[in-house]
Amino acid sequence: DTGVSQDPRHKITKRGQNVTFRCDPISEHNRLYWYRQTLGQGPEFLTYFQNEAQLEKSRLLSDRFSAERPKGSFSTLEIQRTEQGDSAMYLCASSSYRVDTDTQYFGPGTRLTVL
Amino acid sequence: AQKVTQAQTEISVVEKEDVTLDCVYETRDTTYYLFWYKQPPSGELVFLIRRNSFDEQNEISGRYSWNFQKSTSSFNFTITASQVVDSAVYFCALSDPSRTGRRALTFGSGTRLQVQP
Repeated sequence: DTGVSQDPRHKITKRGQNVTFRCDPISEHNRLYWYRQTLGQGPEFLTYFQNEAQLEKSRLLSDRFSAERPKGSFSTLEIQRTEQGDSAMYLCASSSYRVDTDTQYFGPGTRLTVL
Repeated sequence: AQKVTQAQTEISVVEKEDVTLDCVYETRDTTYYLFWYKQPPSGELVFLIRRNSFDEQNEISGRYSWNFQKSTSSFNFTITASQVVDSAVYFCALSDPSRTGRRALTFGSGTRLQVQP
């Protein structure tokens, strides 16, 4: 049973560029979450999907951020016109109420550095 | 609003010492869930335990134990006979979906544990 996977693990980009991250959840999990973690802080919630529907978005998710989960399996998080303040670890998690009462399991994260 | 406070920023112990990590939470809901996660230097968050608000029974798993007290809104984590491999950042988190439907986890700021050999 594979865990949550994320790609890429590291991304370095220049300010103003667009970046896209991918998350593949645990196969039987229907819920998928994105969080952002900056140095020395706990993860902060960004958005949540149940199957393909985006059900919850944080106010942290500005207009430059967009997330999709088109077929209810993998998800992508895109940041447009990146800013230095976007530098952080982006974490993906998945869960299923039926499988494990909705406990969220996290992937290894994508570390974004904006120069 | 939900809030999780981990007042201990960093703790350093010598191997084989016992150590307790504190977690205090705030929520208006009567049904909620509390979690502990471990984040080793590799960066991946590892799930340790989930506790619902109706179950105040303390839990022990090997060298790990958790003390849940609703009266003081605390969910503390104790490692007995600490080992170097326990060195990590530990996060306490809260989920309270019953009233608002929100499924997001609210995390504390974490406690960095360093276990010296």
